[in-house]
Amino acid sequence: AQSVTQPDARVTVSEGASLQLRCKYSYSGTPYLFWYVQYPRQGLQLLLKYYSGDPVVQGVNGFEAEFSKSNSSFHLRKASVHWSDSAVYFCVLSGPSNTNKVVFGTGTRLQVLP
Amino acid sequence: GPKVLQIPSHQIIDMGQMVTLNCDPVSNHLYFYWYKQILGQQMEFLVNFYNGKVMEKSKLFKDQFSVERPDGSYFTLKIQPTALEDSAVYFCASSLQGSGTEVFFGKGTRLTVV
Repeated sequence: AQSVTQPDARVTVSEGASLQLRCKYSYSGTPYLFWYVQYPRQGLQLLLKYYSGDPVVQGVNGFEAEFSKSNSSFHLRKASVHWSDSAVYFCVLSGPSNTNKVVFGTGTRLQVLP
Repeated sequence: GPKVLQIPSHQIIDMGQMVTLNCDPVSNHLYFYWYKQILGQQMEFLVNFYNGKVMEKSKLFKDQFSVERPDGSYFTLKIQPTALEDSAVYFCASSLQGSGTEVFFGKGTRLTVV
């Protein structure tokens, strides 16, 4: 069965600090992995995605993520956060299937202190 | 970029009444989804839809729920009758392919059942 775990419900960092949001997945096949961000009262926006190839993928606004098959992880990173990065971040898994059941993690609420 | 539009953005309805949430997906997309989010928390999968049929649904997709996309127009979620626990934000999404592709989300419809 597919599942995604985001162990940190809330993360608070100071502006300019580095960031890592953790994501672990469970899937028997080759996963397609995504990070989405949700700003207050907004829908979800895609930050980045991983299908195959280079395990480090670059996204928008300076975000990157690293896929690790051995650790079943897809952690999101940013070298220096800005107050506008405050939002909820979802790690998402989509496995090849006929139905494309997209599985969300529980989300991590990021608060960036000025 | 491609947009998924949801109408209305907010709806208040009396318990027991019927409500229809409308979604205008990305024009060439073939797969459609509804998700439920309570109080800015986890995104819960409800249902996905392809080629005029429900492909998969979760246990949250109660018998009172139905989806359709008549004649390629709006993709709708109907709840009849509504219950207090149906109060949530409902997100519509669409994708071009059935697996491993970016899923585009609308901004959600906030449903309040009173």
